Amino acid sequence: NAGVTQTPKFQVLKTGQSMTLQCAQDMNHNSMYWYRQDPGMGLRLIYYSASEGTTDKGEVPNGYNVSRLNKREFSLRLESAAPSQTSVYFCASTPAGGRNTQYFGPGTRLTVL
Amino acid sequence: AQRVTQPEKLLSVFKGAPVELKCNYSYSGSPELFWYVQYSRQRLQLLLRHISRESIKGFTADLNKGETSFHLKKPFAQEEDSAMYYCALGVYNQGGKLIFGQGTELSVKP
Repeated sequence: NAGVTQTPKFQVLKTGQSMTLQCAQDMNHNSMYWYRQDPGMGLRLIYYSASEGTTDKGEVPNGYNVSRLNKREFSLRLESAAPSQTSVYFCASTPAGGRNTQYFGPGTRLTVL
Repeated sequence: AQRVTQPEKLLSVFKGAPVELKCNYSYSGSPELFWYVQYSRQRLQLLLRHISRESIKGFTADLNKGETSFHLKKPFAQEEDSAMYYCALGVYNQGGKLIFGQGTELSVKP
């Protein structure tokens, strides 16, 4: 049982390049989330998917798109990367959109030059 | 407005000293509060949640609705407690998302 996995672990992009961050969970969880972590700002929610087939914007969605490919997978896409998107990205999942603990992936450290 | 505030960016204590990491929240409904911990270069993991009313690794936290606070306490800090601590508020009518505070880095010196 791997829990929540993320790929890649590290990535360096040039301004304007695109990429997709992958997230998968093997716990049969309904809800999945993407956060970014920046020093002094904590974790901020980018997008979330309360259940398969639905996605909603979080606090900082600009510059990102998401796809809930199936119940297991939730990807985050940067269409045209900007230096302001340099951050550590965490994916998380929870059994349902209710009063449950979120389980986090190991993170992707992204640098945009 | 839904908000979580952790007023201290860094808290530095000596081993064996008491620790209190402050957390205040703003939420109009019935809050559910969590403390998450992130050890160096590791993923975030749940430390405790207020509805469980449990003690994990010697840490406790009590929800004070009057003061809208959920401070994390430990009577005797250990070096292995050094980590980043995040307080989070569960917002369950919006897909179960969490609103995180800015985080407090706890440094326990020998």
